[in-house]
Amino acid sequence: GQQLNQSPQSMFIQEGEDVSMNCTSSSIFNTWLWYKQDPGEGPVLLIALYKAGELTSNGRLTAQFGITRKDSFLNISASIPSDVGIYFCAGLIAGNTGKLIFGQGTTLQVKP
Amino acid sequence: KAGVTQTPRYLIKTRGQQVTLSCSPISGHRSVSWYQQTPGQGLQFLFEYFSETQRNKGNFPGRFSGRQFSNSRSEMNVSTLELGDSALYLCASSSTGHLTDTQYFGPGTRLTVL
Repeated sequence: GQQLNQSPQSMFIQEGEDVSMNCTSSSIFNTWLWYKQDPGEGPVLLIALYKAGELTSNGRLTAQFGITRKDSFLNISASIPSDVGIYFCAGLIAGNTGKLIFGQGTTLQVKP
Repeated sequence: KAGVTQTPRYLIKTRGQQVTLSCSPISGHRSVSWYQQTPGQGLQFLFEYFSETQRNKGNFPGRFSGRQFSNSRSEMNVSTLELGDSALYLCASSSTGHLTDTQYFGPGTRLTVL
């Protein structure tokens, strides 16, 4: 079945550093999404990407939809303590309504 | 606009029992998807409902079922609970469930099976 390989699995960085994480797949995805999940809560959407090659920013976050439609990355610039959490990539395939395929998640810890 | 709400937030059940979880989508959203989140398997798609019909289904046994009402509220049911069913169950709503419709998640129901 479709799978998303997300890396790295975890990151421990210093406040102010930039962060990069990515997702790859052997399948083509038509939509890529990046979510953040805090403990005990549901995932919150950070960025949505709908076109191959699309580069989108949301504040200090930037994400790109890979040109092959099989990958995406998320960058966080100048990290702050509240960036701590688990980041998930997710993808949608045309014809598979409502079915998000998720990566395994990247746990981010930020040291003040 | 109110977000996605899920009730109850926490449940403790014993093996063999059954459980029903509820999800109220964002007003105007007609698609509701359910996911199971566990440390080992991550987030796995259970099923999606649209206009009271199951439109998509993941790879879960028949013990997992759901339904959607005319007001788009959805319930999922797990029968004959097993220890491995302990998980965070999340529902997400979107306008239509299609590619460009964002899915918004509720806070989840934490199910513990003893």
